[in-house]
Amino acid sequence: EIVLAQSPGTLSLSPGERVTLSCRASQSVTSNYLAWYQQKPGQSPRLLIYLASTRATGIPDRFSGSGSGTDFTLTISRLEPEDFAVYYCQQYGGSSWTFGQGTKVEFK
Amino acid sequence: EVQLVESGGGLVQPGGSLRLSCAASRVIFRTYSMHWVRQAPGKGLEWVASISDSGHIMYYADSVKGRFTISRDNVKNSLYLQLSSLRGEDTAVYYCASNGAPASFDIWGHGTVVTVSS
Repeated sequence: EIVLAQSPGTLSLSPGERVTLSCRASQSVTSNYLAWYQQKPGQSPRLLIYLASTRATGIPDRFSGSGSGTDFTLTISRLEPEDFAVYYCQQYGGSSWTFGQGTKVEFK
Repeated sequence: EVQLVESGGGLVQPGGSLRLSCAASRVIFRTYSMHWVRQAPGKGLEWVASISDSGHIMYYADSVKGRFTISRDNVKNSLYLQLSSLRGEDTAVYYCASNGAPASFDIWGHGTVVTVSS
């Protein structure tokens, strides 16, 4: 089973800043089957990015994904107040799905 | 757009059973594989089980294999999760999710809470 490690655990930032979140896999992710989700307190997760770099429907273009193999990145070009949340990466390995432990982006 | 609504959660004693349901809003449900994902209090997301669009192929996380059973009814546009031999560590919000985007979960329900406690 592929294990995903996200870093950092918490980021304290101000609106307008650029955000870079990391997701590292214990082995290569098949076909770049890597997704990113945003979750706010009391809400269900929301798909942001799939196939490592494809934005989901309705996701603003300040969100972008990149990477391949074992190293992936979610970038928020300019942090908006509504972006403070927990972000999870997730991979699909053919018969199982795993999530990273999450990165919390909090208001500084 | 597909909307998903879970039900069936509640308080159950260790060793007990529960059946969760997830109703989909549109017929398109039958073309998607479907999944259950859970989140323990204050913790991250954990994939639990998946079922193919036809209902013929199922996958389970090791933590629930042999205790949970996923199923679906494409006539009723519904997804199910039978939980048995429940343990304290199964306490969580259980979400159903659809697989409308490649290798990812594009639509999520609001979740249903399962609490395992004596």
